[in-house]
Parts: sequence; structure tokens; C-alpha cells
Amino acid sequence: SYELTQPLSVSVALGQTARITCGENNIGTKNVQWYQQKPGQAPVLVIYRETNRPSGIPERFSGSNSGNTATLTISRAQADDEADYYCQVWDNSNVVFGGGTKVTVL
Amino acid sequence: QVQLVESGGGLVKPGGSLRLSCAASGFRFTDYQMSWIRQAPGKGLEWVSYIGTYTDYADSVKGRFTISRDNAKNSVYLQMNSLRAEDTAVYYCARAWESSIAATGLGYWGQGTLVTVSS
Repeated sequence: SYELTQPLSVSVALGQTARITCGENNIGTKNVQWYQQKPGQAPVLVIYRETNRPSGIPERFSGSNSGNTATLTISRAQADDEADYYCQVWDNSNVVFGGGTKVTVL
Repeated sequence: QVQLVESGGGLVKPGGSLRLSCAASGFRFTDYQMSWIRQAPGKGLEWVSYIGTYTDYADSVKGRFTISRDNAKNSVYLQMNSLRAEDTAVYYCARAWESSIAATGLGYWGQGTLVTVSS
């Protein structure tokens, strides 16, 4: 089965850049989505189809995908960006989520 | 605006059944695939099922859960049978961002409903 590997945690200083990776063999051939989830809240789609931002998502959030790694980049990190982040793909008619990465803004 | 409201969660004994409902509004319901995702306490997101022209299920629930939709009522349902302790989770209803989950993921989520399986 397709499994997406994410780091358990990423720390970033306020105003700096955080990069969250999502790895699997040939993920570069798939559409990748990223979700942000804050405690007690439902997930929010922040990136779809690798690089696209839904309306209302700040430009500070960007995505890339190539080879075996997809990456979510948070530029100029804010305290409000502290959350869990999940990558997601579609594989063999299934929705597959990564294990999630906790982002801490220092 | 798009709204998804889940209901039907609660406490059920192992082996029991529960039916979750998701009432949708604010969009043309028939144009979108819908999905159920769950999250066990303190754990990550786990996809459960989706429905569009076809349906599919995670291996962990296949044969026990059934997804359905009533387009006249703008609602999607999850019938859960033979429940186990490991089914304990918050269950979210979600809509494809664009019409297809495969292309654009899940753009709208409900607030979730808690299912607790315990004796």
C-alpha cells in the first residue's frame, strides 16, 4: 500500500521559513494536497494539486513536488501557523494521508 | 456558503451499530464527491470512505461500513456495523474541493462527530 512519510515535528523561528516534507516513491507523479489542523478544529486545505492555494490561504504557503518528495513551505512563519500539517494523495482509488507533522513556531 | 454538519455520533458497545449523517448546504450537492475521514484521539487523519459515481472503503472498514447519499436531501451517510474499540474517533464529513477528490483533495470539512466504542 502507498504510505506517505512525514517528519514528526518541525520547529521554525518566528518570521523564518519552515519546510515540511512528504515522501514516497514517485510521489512526483501524483497530485498532492496539504492540510492544516489546529487543536480541536477540523482540517483546512491549504494547498491542492501541489502548488495551488484555495482562496483565503496566505501566499506564505506554497507547495512543490518532484521525484520522491513533496514539500510544503511556510515563509515568514507566524505564531498562527503553529499546527499539525498533513499531506495527502489519491492512490488506487483510495485517499492516503501522511502521518502528520507538528509545526512549532519559536 | 458551503456547510457540512455531521450528526449521529455517540457511545456504542463493541459489536454494535451506528449511522452517521452529514447534511450539506450551500452548493450543488450532486456535482461533488463526498468522503468520510476519521481521527482517533491524539492520532492522525485516516480516510474511511468516499462516494461519487462509485464508492470505496479503507481496508480497515471494508465489509463493516457502508456509505450512501440521498441527493434529494443533500445528505451523505455512513452506516457502521460490527463496531470495534479501534473505530473510536472523531468522524468528519468532507467535500471535494473541486468535483473530484482525486484531482484536488478535500476542500470543505464538517466539525466532526465523536464515536466512542466501549463496553
